Amino acid sequence: ETGVTQTPRHLVMGMTNKKSLKCEQHLGHNAMYWYKQSAKKPLELMFVYNFKEQTENNSVPSRFSPECPNSSHLFLHLHTLQPEDSALYLCASSQEQAGPYEQYFGPGTRLTVT
Amino acid sequence: KQEVTQIPAALSVPEGENLVLNCSFTDSAIYNLQWFRQDPGKGLTSLLLIQSSQREQTSGRLNASLDKSSGRSTLYIAASQPGDSATYLCAVRRTGGFKTIFGAGTRLFVKA
Repeated sequence: ETGVTQTPRHLVMGMTNKKSLKCEQHLGHNAMYWYKQSAKKPLELMFVYNFKEQTENNSVPSRFSPECPNSSHLFLHLHTLQPEDSALYLCASSQEQAGPYEQYFGPGTRLTVT
Repeated sequence: KQEVTQIPAALSVPEGENLVLNCSFTDSAIYNLQWFRQDPGKGLTSLLLIQSSQREQTSGRLNASLDKSSGRSTLYIAASQPGDSATYLCAVRRTGGFKTIFGAGTRLFVKA
């Protein structure tokens, strides 16, 4: 158990649905990340929040909307997705104030868009 | 633009063998480099993190080195075991921000 939890673990949604992914870290970290892992492609950074402020948006389509209400919780709101958005979505956290800067990952949410 | 390459893409070795996984990056302006393992369908487990000022890190049977000038890192696994079978990923974080670029990984299979 890495201290980073994600729910749900599996999600199937239609292209017109709206759903949200949740991530929670119990490590006292201040930075949180969303990554996308598609089949046969390297992990892609989507968003980064540091002390609740967004610091990175890697040109992600607006149908993905992140929310970070505090340093322990991170959400990814999904709407009008496309089949190519089917992937494993991973959340990570790190301690940035004086380090050690190591990223710890959750188990991921396997998303299937039908 | 930072690019991260891992060679080989796949590797099969007999149990007990020592092995080296390679990671190369194109931009030496890195903040740190982190090695992970990923089991099928699972999240990532952190193995080692090397800060840009460091040359190597060790944890148990694992040793990771970093040579920024040549844009290379290696992960050395001693006395490999079947439980080491997984995909190994390296990730490079650039200086001045949080942007992290991952390699495609090396899939390792250790035969009993």
